[in-house]
Amino acid sequence: KNEVEQSPQNLTAQEGEFITINCSYSVGISALHWLQQHPGGGIVSLFMLSSGKKKHGRLIATINIQEKHSSLHITASHPRDSAVYICAVSGAQKLVFGQGTRLTINP
Amino acid sequence: DTAVSQTPKYLVTQMGNDKSIKCEQNLGHDTMYWYKQDSKKFLKIMFSYNNKELIINETVPNRFSPKSPDKAHLNLHINSLELGDSAVYFCASSQGLWGLTDTQYFGPGTRLTVL
Repeated sequence: KNEVEQSPQNLTAQEGEFITINCSYSVGISALHWLQQHPGGGIVSLFMLSSGKKKHGRLIATINIQEKHSSLHITASHPRDSAVYICAVSGAQKLVFGQGTRLTINP
Repeated sequence: DTAVSQTPKYLVTQMGNDKSIKCEQNLGHDTMYWYKQDSKKFLKIMFSYNNKELIINETVPNRFSPKSPDKAHLNLHINSLELGDSAVYFCASSQGLWGLTDTQYFGPGTRLTVL
């Protein structure tokens, strides 16, 4: 079992829907990262968080340290949000990635 | 101005060859990384350098050798290429160690195909 598990692996939704992607981890961490990989392959860091909640535009990331769980939410989803979303955890000289969630938003 | 650049973008080569991928960052960051993304899109860290010192060295074959001539550059040399080395290799940088306190900035990736 991977130290970082994401769900779902694939998600298809209609434009405007509220999206939730989950990430669970089994190791001690210093921080959790959410990344976005565009269809063209480029990777962008979305959030880095170690507690609580962060918001950037229509994206919200939360983390519950006790439950070792994080969620990435997208409000009012748009076709341009279609990408692979990757959760990663860092700590103790390690950086471990989840397998990614492929999100497709249909118009 | 590109923050993290990699060259080449595509690399097609024969098994057994030796090749290098170059990475440069103009962000003034102290830490640079190399990642491998396999055909299933799974990202794995390979190496991390902080101020030209090797910090993370995950279990990768010793055919892979990172070289950091200065803080702004982290090159990846691969000897005796094998079919299984085919992947997309990403370089990244961050100010803080492990990207704990800072965002990582990724290069565009180098798609390596070994024939």
